[in-house]
Amino acid sequence: KAGVTQTPRYLIKTRGQQVTLSCSPISGHRSVSWYQQTPGQGLQFLFEYFSETQRNKGNFPGRFSGRQFSNSRSEMNVSTLELGDSALYLCASSLRQGRSYNEQFFGPGTRLTVL
Amino acid sequence: GENVEQHPSTLSVQEGDSAVIKCTYSDSASNYFPWYKQELGKGPQLIIDIRSNVGEKKDQRIAVTLNKTAKHFSLHITETQPEDSAVYFCAARGYTGTASKLTFGTGTRLQVTL
Repeated sequence: KAGVTQTPRYLIKTRGQQVTLSCSPISGHRSVSWYQQTPGQGLQFLFEYFSETQRNKGNFPGRFSGRQFSNSRSEMNVSTLELGDSALYLCASSLRQGRSYNEQFFGPGTRLTVL
Repeated sequence: GENVEQHPSTLSVQEGDSAVIKCTYSDSASNYFPWYKQELGKGPQLIIDIRSNVGEKKDQRIAVTLNKTAKHFSLHITETQPEDSAVYFCAARGYTGTASKLTFGTGTRLQVTL
């Protein structure tokens, strides 16, 4: 079974631009979570989607948004990019959502550099 | 919300020795504690997890222990090998109402030397 895939793997943008990252979960998984990883802040939760609905959100500004499609694929968008948005953006998929014991499997990440 | 602390931040051991990484969490309602290994240029890989109704779990050279009373859990790697060198993250699933999320520790860079 194929793992979580993320595209693109690398992106370079300039301040003020916007960017869209894509994530395809493991087949059959319906929950997708996004994380930002930086050397200073570590792994920070952005949001979780399940059945095309955002179920949980971390403490990030409204410039960070996401969505999930009917096939469980997910995208996240960052508008008006800032230098501090440079990070590795990780997508994780799991079978279920919520209070169940939910193993999350991560993709390889998208490395975003903002110049 | 949940807060997870992880120690040490770096750990160097000789091949064949054991390595122990410790984490504490703050939310007594947390019920799921995974450990991830992240190699350079890759996403975190789930290596073992434990649920709050279990005190210990072992998978070959890797074991995790959980002390719910003290709110801490540990990763034990025995007979370390050079390929164990990586950054290890602990995490806890905490809850806000019915929504849950994984909160991660700050990571431990493990170096296994020959």
